[in-house]
Amino acid sequence: DAMVIQNPRYQVTQFGKPVTLSCSQTLNHNVMYWYQQKSSQAPKLLFHYYDKDFNNEADTPDNFQSRRPNTSFCFLDIRSPGLGDAAMYLCATSRSSTDTQYFGPGTRLTVL
Amino acid sequence: AQSVSQHNHHVILSEAASLELGCNYSYGGTVNLFWYVQYPGQHLQLLLKYFSGDPLVKGIKGFEAEFIKSKFSFNLRKPSVQWSDTAEYFCAVKVVDSSYKLIFGSGTRLLVRP
Repeated sequence: DAMVIQNPRYQVTQFGKPVTLSCSQTLNHNVMYWYQQKSSQAPKLLFHYYDKDFNNEADTPDNFQSRRPNTSFCFLDIRSPGLGDAAMYLCATSRSSTDTQYFGPGTRLTVL
Repeated sequence: AQSVSQHNHHVILSEAASLELGCNYSYGGTVNLFWYVQYPGQHLQLLLKYFSGDPLVKGIKGFEAEFIKSKFSFNLRKPSVQWSDTAEYFCAVKVVDSSYKLIFGSGTRLLVRP
């Protein structure tokens, strides 16, 4: 049974056109994360939510925003995608900061 | 800044060969250590983890890893690989403090030839 679900799996957008990626979880975990993984690179944390508390990584561009309307859902908004934002976006969850993170299948974003 | 190094970017083995993938990290304090695997077209899955206790940890599918604190290493091993082990393997480290950040290595692509 899927525990961390990401929709869509593939997303194509145009340069500068806002796009939203979705993540949901059935684990009832407190923490939800968004990672960016570019080709042949390690996943890189963009930000995370602990419950409703949002925590941005210092080097995450302002172009990236997130929303968590409830425990189960978390969204990644890219306000004006550039060609350099083409990547796999991974959502993950954990019960707490010390617990294992469980990953979703990712959304591959293409920017035309 | 903390970092994780995986020195082997691509590894090609024949079935039944033994596997060892290196992972080194740079942080002198307490860490939690993980190996994740990503099979073709699938999501990252946890293979094994080390939080404390016995430095030799066993994971799923016959994998094991040994934490050597003095060497800042957490190498992944499997005595006999199978074709189905073809995947990308990521080592990850989490500093045990208030940070939530999981720091990944750049990954090792393993191809097992039948």
